[in-house]
Amino acid sequence: DIVVTQSPDSLAVSLGERATITCKSSQSVLYKSDNRNYLAWYQQKPGQPPRLLIYWASIRESGVPDRFSGSGSGTDFTFTISSLQAEDVAVYYCQQYYITPYIFGQGTRLEIK
Amino acid sequence: QVQLRQSGPGLVRPSQTLSLTCAISGDSVSSNSVVWNWVRQSPSRGLEWLGRTYYRSKWFYDYAGSLRGRITFYPDTSKNQFSLQLNSVTPEDTALYFCTRADGGWYMDYWGQGTLVTVSS
Repeated sequence: DIVVTQSPDSLAVSLGERATITCKSSQSVLYKSDNRNYLAWYQQKPGQPPRLLIYWASIRESGVPDRFSGSGSGTDFTFTISSLQAEDVAVYYCQQYYITPYIFGQGTRLEIK
Repeated sequence: QVQLRQSGPGLVRPSQTLSLTCAISGDSVSSNSVVWNWVRQSPSRGLEWLGRTYYRSKWFYDYAGSLRGRITFYPDTSKNQFSLQLNSVTPEDTALYFCTRADGGWYMDYWGQGTLVTVSS
């Protein structure tokens, strides 16, 4: 199975500052035939299911603010919030959907400093 | 707007069967362009994909290896829903269970509200 590792496990950032989370896959999730990275990012707030933010590693889901972005390819990916807002406090997960079993990262807890 | 509404008991006795249902609105369980998943979440395991089912002229099923033999999905086209059955549960199956839709079979764009299932005598 693919192993997906996020870092850090927790992060405290000041309001208005940048937050960056990395996600590393044990094997490439880039499918060469379509040149797409099979990786998504989700946000989960307490008492809620995860919410899809980013898919194909860098495509924002409809309705997601443009302060959220994703980048990377192959095995190394980055999720960035360009200017942290109070409502962004949550746990963030990456997930590979390149091959089953689909694997989620362990999560990164984002807090306000 | 797609909505997934979960139902099922919150308490299951050890060795019994866990059964959950996910009712779909705004889409069809037999759609040829989506996949239906079950995911669970626990402090010890984090988010864990349990398996998927989808229709492409016939039904397909794909289960997590760790659960194969205990888990079964049941799509029901008459009620536009799909169900999860997990047999021989132990306390380690205690978790928050989610049903999800995967657009194109890939990323999970819609999630049910979650059902907390506790396995305890």
